[in-house]
Amino acid sequence: AQKVTQAQTEISVVEKEDVTLDCVYETRDTTYYLFWYKQPPSGELVFLIRRNSFDEQNEISGRYSWNFQKSTSSFNFTITASQVVDSAVYFCALSEVNTGNQFYFGTGTSLTVIP
Amino acid sequence: DGGITQSPKYLFRKEGQNVTLSCEQNLNHDAMYWYRQDPGQGLRLIYYSQIVNDFQKGDIAEGYSVSREKKESFPLTVTSAQKNPTAFYLCASRLEGVWTGELFFGEGSRLTVL
Repeated sequence: AQKVTQAQTEISVVEKEDVTLDCVYETRDTTYYLFWYKQPPSGELVFLIRRNSFDEQNEISGRYSWNFQKSTSSFNFTITASQVVDSAVYFCALSEVNTGNQFYFGTGTSLTVIP
Repeated sequence: DGGITQSPKYLFRKEGQNVTLSCEQNLNHDAMYWYRQDPGQGLRLIYYSQIVNDFQKGDIAEGYSVSREKKESFPLTVTSAQKNPTAFYLCASRLEGVWTGELFFGEGSRLTVL
């Protein structure tokens, strides 16, 4: 079974629009970590955020914000006022303490921001 | 600067040949990982190592081999037994500890089998 589901395969938005990338996860652990990574065309995955299961506070970093809701097992990522440089593939990932901290990645969402 | 270096960036191989992808890190991280990425798919774990001279199979280890003789290095060999080796390979490392740290990634190696 897929532990991390990113149902949106591709999204296109016009520059300056807001966009939300969805991430739904599945775990039985009480202690786990959630991550978002950005993969630009160059290929390297760039770490964006880590959130542990005991911290449900939403986080904002510039134009980026993350909404963590344990009740719906979701960890959604919103980009406000999107820019062309935001075009990339975004991956959500889960790491469970009880499985040796292995990472489980979603299939990614390809975001294209049109100028 | 600290980071992960993968080489080569692009590699072409004829069928039946083994090829080794290099991964070196100077972050003093204990754990190192190899992932495979195919178009439209997430990252799939090939092998990982949490300590020198020890490594574990991931979800798709068949047709691959690794070694971890030094903390800094974790080379991946794609053998002729790997049926569909054309893919993008990513190496990553992480600092082990009580709290899970994020993975740091290299820039990847793109392997094409001709």
